[in-house]
Amino acid sequence: KNQVEQSPQSLIILEGKNCTLQCNYTVSPFSNLRWYKQDTGRGPVSLTIMTFSENTKSNGRYTATLDADTKQSSLHITASQLSDSASYICVVSFSGGSYIPTFGRGTSLIVHP
Amino acid sequence: NAGVTQTPKFRVLKTGQSMTLLCAQDMNHEYMYWYRQDPGMGLRLIHYSVGEGTTAKGEVPDGYNVSRLKKQNFLLGLESAAPSQTSVYFCASSYDRGEIPLSYEQYFGPGTRLTVT
Repeated sequence: KNQVEQSPQSLIILEGKNCTLQCNYTVSPFSNLRWYKQDTGRGPVSLTIMTFSENTKSNGRYTATLDADTKQSSLHITASQLSDSASYICVVSFSGGSYIPTFGRGTSLIVHP
Repeated sequence: NAGVTQTPKFRVLKTGQSMTLLCAQDMNHEYMYWYRQDPGMGLRLIHYSVGEGTTAKGEVPDGYNVSRLKKQNFLLGLESAAPSQTSVYFCASSYDRGEIPLSYEQYFGPGTRLTVT
């Protein structure tokens, strides 16, 4: 069964600090990997999308990396802000069958002043 | 440009009652989706549509029906609600980029919180 595992489950950091969130997947064969940000009580918003051939993608202070060989991705947040407090969700689509995406459970990030 | 909107925002149902959740998008997207999000679990796809008049089953379709009579609207129906359907429901839509519908960026609505007692 295709799985997407995210770590840590939750993270607390101070404003201005950097942090890195991890995503490991077993989805194969791989189509693309997306990172979403979900604020409390809101729908997810796309941050980055990477295909098999890409190994890094940036969106402002957010940088996602992908290692397709080890089936790992990370989301690095630079100079965190209070507004970064949210759940970050990793989503993987595989290129065989129905392409139904597999969502991770998310990492809950809290940024303290 | 409102993006993706969902109505209602909250709803409480009794077991056995029926209801319809409405999703509307004003971005002229071809593809639309319904997900449910439960505590401690990732979002799971219920049904999706690749165009007006078409629907397809997702990962957890049992107990739900959908219709896409107009391109901009996607309705999710619960014919006989059960407590296991207590969840937050999200609608999403995406462009037709000539790629597999489910594999590209999706724009989500704000969600509908449904409680079935």
